[in-house]
Amino acid sequence: DGGITQSPKYLFRKEGQNVTLSCEQNLNHDAMYWYRQDPGQGLRLIYYSQIVNDFQKGDIAEGYSVSREKKESFPLTVTSAQKNPTAFYLCASSRQDLSQPQHFGDGTRLSIL
Amino acid sequence: QKEVEQNSGPLSVPEGAIASLNCTYSDRGSQSFFWYRQYSGKSPELIMFIYSNGDKEDGRFTAQLNKASQYVSLLIRDSQPSDSATYLCAVNRGRVDNNDMRFGAGTRLTVKP
Repeated sequence: DGGITQSPKYLFRKEGQNVTLSCEQNLNHDAMYWYRQDPGQGLRLIYYSQIVNDFQKGDIAEGYSVSREKKESFPLTVTSAQKNPTAFYLCASSRQDLSQPQHFGDGTRLSIL
Repeated sequence: QKEVEQNSGPLSVPEGAIASLNCTYSDRGSQSFFWYRQYSGKSPELIMFIYSNGDKEDGRFTAQLNKASQYVSLLIRDSQPSDSATYLCAVNRGRVDNNDMRFGAGTRLTVKP
């Protein structure tokens, strides 16, 4: 089955630690996205990538980094510079057409220890 | 003004009734419109999309779009307790990049048996 796989489902971060969230898709989508969702709030865009080896900052990129070395993979690193990382992180992908919807993985819930 | 606005709810309807969910958007150039359903603790799943003014029906769901009023709505007929979830409105502004999606904060719907 085609889809988007995020791992791990739950992640705990210690102070000063960088952690990496995995996102893999087998939908052959060109575009991939990372969102952050806080309770009672909408999805806020962290980073997005329209093509391999290229990515752009979203609205809340500070304290995060990404890479796009393969079409299928778009990992997100939450760095120690992100002082409030506790949130639900969602990875999405879509075709390169503004009429196309974004499809989401199951998410990773990140908490601070 | 938020780019995509929804009433946060909760909206409560009895089983079998019609649930009406509303969304307004600020960017008049927005191109495509999506409704996602998000169960508590889960990721959003696409349920409807609409691109042209008017109504679009899919089973018990009807999406309505009025670009002049910058308004999109979702009607759920014969509401079931399994419809209880948060409904996210998403608008693709289609600006610099092809896929420039903005999400509302969501409306929480409760269907009471």
